[in-house]
Amino acid sequence: SQQGEEDPQALSIQEGENATMNCSYKTSINNLQWYRQNSGRGLVHLILIRSNEREKHSGRLRVTLDTSKKSSSLLITASRAADTASYFCATFTSGTYKYIFGTGTRLKVLA
Amino acid sequence: GAGVSQSPSNKVTEKGKDVELRCDPISGHTALYWYRQSLGQGLEFLIYFQGNSAPDKSGLPSDRFSAERTGGSVSTLTIQRTQQEDSAVYLCASSSYTWERGYTFGSGTRLTVV
Repeated sequence: SQQGEEDPQALSIQEGENATMNCSYKTSINNLQWYRQNSGRGLVHLILIRSNEREKHSGRLRVTLDTSKKSSSLLITASRAADTASYFCATFTSGTYKYIFGTGTRLKVLA
Repeated sequence: GAGVSQSPSNKVTEKGKDVELRCDPISGHTALYWYRQSLGQGLEFLIYFQGNSAPDKSGLPSDRFSAERTGGSVSTLTIQRTQQEDSAVYLCASSSYTWERGYTFGSGTRLTVV
């Protein structure tokens, strides 16, 4: 089952521009993570934000969480061609002991 | 090892045959997960192992799917009597209790049933 849904499904931008991806989920969560996937294989963990946090930064990444709207956003600033990948949000709910992944946003950064 | 290792990386099998997919997690990681990703789709949870506890099998799509984890380390996902709809990338991940670092994923096994 899919807990999260990313929006947009696909995004194409020019190098240097900012990219924003959104994730909406259905049930209350303990924390939310964002992952990147290159070439349809293994995923790489980017950042975790807890339910009592509203914003978190890591390098060029900025993640926000709005638990009242059950949504999160991932902002990549000053994008590079190497940022081309699929990005997934994953939510963790107490008692389930597993992350449920969203449907992903395919980002293409044009050089 | 340094990362999560999965084998084989690619597997082509005939419909009706059984297949075994292997996952070798990071040493010391107590939790191990299997996910399935169909072409262009998100990740579908299959099964979760945590230490010596009974596994969470709630995501297995049918009784043709089974998995075991021996000695709290290596895991094998077995698909019996494969069907074409089983074609997907099967991803394994492991983690410790330190959620800050999230899951560490393997590179996956691409299964094609012909």
